[in-house]
Amino acid sequence: DAGVTQSPTHLIKTRGQQVTLRCSPKSGHDTVSWYQQALGQGPQFIFQYYEEEERQRGNFPDRFSGHQFPNYSSELNVNALLLGDSALYLCASSWAAADEFFGPGTRLTVL
Amino acid sequence: GNSVTQMEGPVTLSEEAFLTINCTYTATGYPSLFWYVQYPGEGLQLLLKATKADDKGSNKGFEATYRKETTSFHLEKGSVQVSDSAVYFCALDPEGAQKLVFGQGTRLTINP
Repeated sequence: DAGVTQSPTHLIKTRGQQVTLRCSPKSGHDTVSWYQQALGQGPQFIFQYYEEEERQRGNFPDRFSGHQFPNYSSELNVNALLLGDSALYLCASSWAAADEFFGPGTRLTVL
Repeated sequence: GNSVTQMEGPVTLSEEAFLTINCTYTATGYPSLFWYVQYPGEGLQLLLKATKADDKGSNKGFEATYRKETTSFHLEKGSVQVSDSAVYFCALDPEGAQKLVFGQGTRLTINP
């Protein structure tokens, strides 16, 4: 049983560019959440998707957007990248308000 | 608002030493409390959790008790191993919202 998978593993972009990160939830899970983990910090909640709709959102600007597909996989999009967007982006999945399982993350570096 | 404060690291111990990592929280309502562990180059793994006051979560020799009166959820282990070296995060989930709030993490290094 595959756990939560994320792609790509690492990504390097320049300021002003746009990026798309992808997440496949654990089998049987229907809810996907995204977190940003800056170096040396704890993860911060970005938003959560359920039934292809954004259900909750943290304190992140509109440059951060997402999508959930009918197969429950999800994308995180970040527009107009800033240096401060450099971080590890974690995807977590769950089912019916049960515990979240985290993926290994995508390391984004903005130059 | 909701927040979590962890004892600052890094923490370095010798193998078989007793471990305590302090965690206190501020929350409205009755949150669930969690400890997650992050090994180098990996994502977060749930270590243990407690959902109501006086509950004790335990896993792999680690324990933590939900103390509402002191708003704390300290992580303990009686005898640490080199393989316990990792970053540990305390977190809360406000009333089952699945919107985890994390502390800043505590890096633990165990020397043989």
